[in-house]
Amino acid sequence: AQTVTQSQPEMSVQEAETVTLSCTYDTSESDYYLFWYKQPPSRQMILVIRQEAYKQQNATENRFSVNFQKAAKSFSLKISDSQLGDAAMYFCAYQVGNNRKLIWGLGTSLGVNP
Amino acid sequence: DAGVIQSPRHEVTEMGQEVTLRCKPISGHNSLFWYRQTMMRGLELLIYFNNNVPIDDSGMPEDRFSAKMPNASFSTLKIQPSEPRDSAVYFCASSSRRGPRYGYTFGSGTRLTVV
Repeated sequence: AQTVTQSQPEMSVQEAETVTLSCTYDTSESDYYLFWYKQPPSRQMILVIRQEAYKQQNATENRFSVNFQKAAKSFSLKISDSQLGDAAMYFCAYQVGNNRKLIWGLGTSLGVNP
Repeated sequence: DAGVIQSPRHEVTEMGQEVTLRCKPISGHNSLFWYRQTMMRGLELLIYFNNNVPIDDSGMPEDRFSAKMPNASFSTLKIQPSEPRDSAVYFCASSSRRGPRYGYTFGSGTRLTVV
């Protein structure tokens, strides 16, 4: 079965520090795409970063970067210089090929301490 | 671009009543998705449309749920009759013609409470 596991239900970080959220997934496909979404208390789901499985280079978006380990099927999210506005639920997801469905993890709740 | 627009933002209804949730996708997006989010089950895909045609409704829980997309700019999710276990946040999302691999854009969701 296709699954996504986020092993850390809750995490916290001090403002300005760095935190890494873990995600592992299970698929036998070779063509897929990985995503991290953020859901703040406002409820809006926001795309943070995406990674194509065929690319070896890790994606980065400003303070957000990923560590993509294809062989280990691991896709962790690193947030640098954490800000209070980063406090949210973070969801890892992937999509296989042209299949329109995303497979989602259960999320990690991130708190940021001032 | 106003983003994906959902209405209402909150809905409280009594068990047995009909509930209709509405969604306006981003103009030019050709795929639309309805999700349900609960603490216990996380995000569940209920149904998705491609070019206004329902492609996969295997996530629709039962016959009480129905979804329509009469045109490219509007979709509804209807629950009739509603039950307390339907209480959840319902999200609509759309994606561009380039494909969902570029990510979905989500609406703000409708929090449904059935009492």
